[in-house]
Amino acid sequence: GIQVEQSPPDLILQEGANSTLRCNFSDSVNNLQWFHQNPWGQLINLFYIPSGTKQNGRLSATTVATERYSLLYISSSQTTDSGVYFCAVVSAAGNKLTFGGGTRVLVKP
Amino acid sequence: GAGVSQSPRYKVAKRGQDVALRCDPISGHVSLFWYQQALGQGPEFLTYFQNEAQLDKSGLPSDRFFAERPEGSVSTLKIQRTQQEDSAVYLCASTLQLSGTQYFGPGTRLTVL
Repeated sequence: GIQVEQSPPDLILQEGANSTLRCNFSDSVNNLQWFHQNPWGQLINLFYIPSGTKQNGRLSATTVATERYSLLYISSSQTTDSGVYFCAVVSAAGNKLTFGGGTRVLVKP
Repeated sequence: GAGVSQSPRYKVAKRGQDVALRCDPISGHVSLFWYQQALGQGPEFLTYFQNEAQLDKSGLPSDRFFAERPEGSVSTLKIQRTQQEDSAVYLCASTLQLSGTQYFGPGTRLTVL
């Protein structure tokens, strides 16, 4: 099946810093989503982005489908940005989401 | 409803007990998915419904796990004779179309003692 790798696995930021999270996937995809899992376990949709670039406030994402990677940018980080960020994809031949291992982000005040 | 809801939010079971976990998808969403998330890991696929039809159950870890969606809306995940390794968060997601955005519920945290 499709493989999804996220990097870095852990990230510690000072409040106000910018960061980039990366997601590599091994095959063509119909769906790519970025999620933020908050400390209570809720998976919050950030982006649906199988290709192209999107922005939402301090967050933006870019997926280059032909090169099989996606990037999530966090600008001017805040302590509320702490949590785990997951990238998940649906392969072109499939229906289910396959998740990466996540990036654990800690933003310090 | 406004989002996907799940109940109960927390469940503690003694080893060997049967449990039933409920998912209410977003109204009108045809596709429904169940995922299992072990501590410190990403969610993993269990099973998928399109309306009332269970089209993929390849992720169910054993025949103790059973899911149904008899009327094409609410779904129930049942685990028989629970084992300690079943302890995890069980997440439900729904989507309007198969390759569209999947929206997740808050999950049910199952602890098997």
